[in-house]
Amino acid sequence: DGGITQSPKYLFRKEGQNVTLSCEQNLNHDAMYWYRQDPGQGLRLIYYSQIVNDFQKGDIAEGYSVSREKKESFPLTVTSAQKNPTAFYLCASKSVEYDFYNEQFFGPGTRLTVL
Amino acid sequence: QKEVEQNSGPLSVPEGAIASLNCTYSDRGSQSFFWYRQYSGKSPELIMFIYSNGDKEDGRFTAQLNKASQYVSLLIRDSQPSDSATYLCAVRYRVRYSSASKIIFGSGTRLSIRP
Repeated sequence: DGGITQSPKYLFRKEGQNVTLSCEQNLNHDAMYWYRQDPGQGLRLIYYSQIVNDFQKGDIAEGYSVSREKKESFPLTVTSAQKNPTAFYLCASKSVEYDFYNEQFFGPGTRLTVL
Repeated sequence: QKEVEQNSGPLSVPEGAIASLNCTYSDRGSQSFFWYRQYSGKSPELIMFIYSNGDKEDGRFTAQLNKASQYVSLLIRDSQPSDSATYLCAVRYRVRYSSASKIIFGSGTRLSIRP
């Protein structure tokens, strides 16, 4: 059963705490992405990775960090430097073949709340 | 700054009627265009994609693309209450000096189908 999994579904963070959101895919996709969605807003790109051991900043990377040690995994750490982290976080992946014409597949999302 | 613009709505359409959703984009170099449906609290799911000028039909959905006017639309025929959701327009473009591509999402149009 192929797909993208994200965990946890809900996450609560205290002020000043780092938290890590998990994203795993078994679709054999090279490219993986992290997006943030605020209420009533579209998706904004945090980081993306086209290949293992390489990743690039997106439009709102400040206060976030990622790693890509395995093709299947792309964890996102929300650091204490991110001043307003409460949001819905979505992980996505896609094949890089026929890059422009392949869809991105999304995970179910993690809702992060700062207490 | 590349932009994708959508009317936030809500767009209210009677059941059985045609719902028309519109999107404009700023980057003339954009290559492919996607419509995602997102139910509240869930991740986006792909409804349609289009990359050539003209119409593309899939069941009750038709995507229309006009690259000269930088305009893409989604028509939903015979609207059903289950079509009530937020519809996100997304545009893929090539990252300069890179083999990577990125997607920009609009902020979405909230569609409500009234019985």
